[in-house]
Amino acid sequence: DIVMTQTPLSSPVTLGQPASISCRSSQSLVHSDGNTYLNWLQQRPGQPPRHLIYKISDRFSGVPDRFSGSGAGTDFTLKISRVEPEDVGVYYCMQATHFPRTFGQGTKVEI
Amino acid sequence: EVQLLESGGNWVQPGGSLILSCAASGFPFRSYAMNWVRQAPGKGLEWVATISYTGSDYADSVKGRFTISRDDSKNTVHLLMHSLRAEDTALYYCAKGLTLLDYWGQGTLVTVSS
Repeated sequence: DIVMTQTPLSSPVTLGQPASISCRSSQSLVHSDGNTYLNWLQQRPGQPPRHLIYKISDRFSGVPDRFSGSGAGTDFTLKISRVEPEDVGVYYCMQATHFPRTFGQGTKVEI
Repeated sequence: EVQLLESGGNWVQPGGSLILSCAASGFPFRSYAMNWVRQAPGKGLEWVATISYTGSDYADSVKGRFTISRDDSKNTVHLLMHSLRAEDTALYYCAKGLTLLDYWGQGTLVTVSS
């Protein structure tokens, strides 16, 4: 199984300042179709997860442009350019290239 | 508007069985893969199973005990769970999609305890 490792696991942030989360996979996430299905999800307190980023860097519909994703192969990053109060929550990377699907441990972003 | 509504969560004793359902609306159901993802209390997300046009896949932790199925005539996906263990206690989410899980339900709680 592919192991997804996120760092840090906790990220104290300052409103208006940037934040960054890293995700490393134990194997390449390049699919046979040429795409890399590395996704980022946000889970606000008491809410179900919500998709933010798809295929490394594509923002999902309605996601603010302060969220951006980057990376390739096995190393990926989620960046928040300026943290807003509603960004508090846990962020997960998830690989959907291989079965079984696997998630990172989650990174808690708190003010 | 896409909606996913899970039901069927309950308290069950170890070794027991339970069936979860997810009623979908707002999209062409038969065209999409569907998933179950669970979250134990205070823990992270764990993928459980996916059903798509190619068949179904399962996490090793549930293989042989859980079965995912779908009824395209009723826009519903089910998760039949047997031989439940304490470690299956979790909030079970239904999610739409194969490589992009773009919509999630609110979840249904399964508690396995004696």
